[in-house]
Amino acid sequence: AQTVTQSQPEMSVQEAETVTLSCTYDTSESDYYLFWYKQPPSRQMILVIRQEAYKQQNATENRFSVNFQKAAKSFSLKISDSQLGDAAMYFCAYLEETSGSRLTFGEGTQLTVNP
Amino acid sequence: DAGVIQSPRHEVTEMGQEVTLRCKPISGHDYLFWYRQTMMRGLELLIYFNNNVPIDDSGMPEDRFSAKMPNASFSTLKIQPSEPRDSAVYFCASSPWMNTEAFFGQGTRLTVV
Repeated sequence: AQTVTQSQPEMSVQEAETVTLSCTYDTSESDYYLFWYKQPPSRQMILVIRQEAYKQQNATENRFSVNFQKAAKSFSLKISDSQLGDAAMYFCAYLEETSGSRLTFGEGTQLTVNP
Repeated sequence: DAGVIQSPRHEVTEMGQEVTLRCKPISGHDYLFWYRQTMMRGLELLIYFNNNVPIDDSGMPEDRFSAKMPNASFSTLKIQPSEPRDSAVYFCASSPWMNTEAFFGQGTRLTVV
């Protein structure tokens, strides 16, 4: 079974600084998708960014970017110019192309942004 | 679109009672998912539907749990009888097609006392 590992239960960053959240996954498949979701205290799961495994170019969404290393099975999230509103639990998720859209989530990383 | 709508947002019930959680997916989405979030197990998929048909219910913990999708705009997750270990946040999510991100509702926090 596929597994997703987030080795940092908690991270903190100063406002306006940059922080990187780590994620590794285990799979024998070549076609899959990776996502980062954000869960603020409101509990809503919000999609931050997605990456298709067949794309070599790293995805970016404004202040959020990923470092996708397919051979290393690594998918880290970089948040630039951190803002207080970025404080949340961040989940890395994996979706296998043949799985019928079922997401496998990591354990989550709690990000604190210090003013 | 208003997004995925779940009700109720909070539910407190006594052990042994029946609990029904409700979900309205985003219009036009073919896939609907029920996830459960707990501190111990994180986010886990319980069941998902494609075009109202249950495809994979291997995550349903036991026979006390059942899910239905009578039409494209409504789904229920029922627990009967409920137990304290069922206390968790239950999320409904939908996606427009296969192999794309899921859009989540705000979840139902269930407490069984």
